[in-house]
Amino acid sequence: SQTIHQWPATLVQPVGSPLSLECTVEGTSNPNLYWYRQAAGRGLQLLFYSVGIGQISSEVPQNLSASRPQDRQFILSSKKLLLSDSGFYLCAWSGADPSADTQYFGPGTRLTVL
Amino acid sequence: AQSVTQPDIHITVSEGASLELRCNYSYGATPYLFWYVQSPGQGLQLLLKYFSGDTLVQGIKGFEAEFKRSQSSFNLRKPSVHWSDAAEYFCAVSSNKFYFGSGTKLNVKP
Repeated sequence: SQTIHQWPATLVQPVGSPLSLECTVEGTSNPNLYWYRQAAGRGLQLLFYSVGIGQISSEVPQNLSASRPQDRQFILSSKKLLLSDSGFYLCAWSGADPSADTQYFGPGTRLTVL
Repeated sequence: AQSVTQPDIHITVSEGASLELRCNYSYGATPYLFWYVQSPGQGLQLLLKYFSGDTLVQGIKGFEAEFKRSQSSFNLRKPSVHWSDAAEYFCAVSSNKFYFGSGTKLNVKP
């Protein structure tokens, strides 16, 4: 069966520091991968999605970037964190057809920028 | 443009009472529809989904949802709520990408 992992589970970082969050999927090949952010009291905001290695689409301009160095690995990064980057970051995967396939979510990473 | 509306931000029900969470969508064709649940500090768990066929969909944890094309709705129901159902619930619509509603927080009174 498929599983999705995220780490770290929680992270506290100072403003201006770099960021790297990792997401890996097991049990499937060539998944579509997604990064979402939930700010406090808000719904889900799609940040990036990827349909293959090295293919990244950005949904909103921001201080963050994403990379997909391997088929089942998706990384969210920042060179310099802002206070507004605080939130709950969720990674998700789906099958090859984004129109028809369910998205399955990881456990999330709670990021606090101080 | 596609959109998903969950008109209730917070709902409080008593344990054992019935529950209905509302979801309306805006989409030109018949969409794929989903309900997810999120416990505090956790990821989203899929409750149920509708792709086609029977418009009444059964999910996990005793939940069901009914697709009503004429009302552009996909409301989530449960006949008897348990305290462990307290969480946030998200409706989603899929076309070429997912659109999530803003969520409904469910509180359960003992």
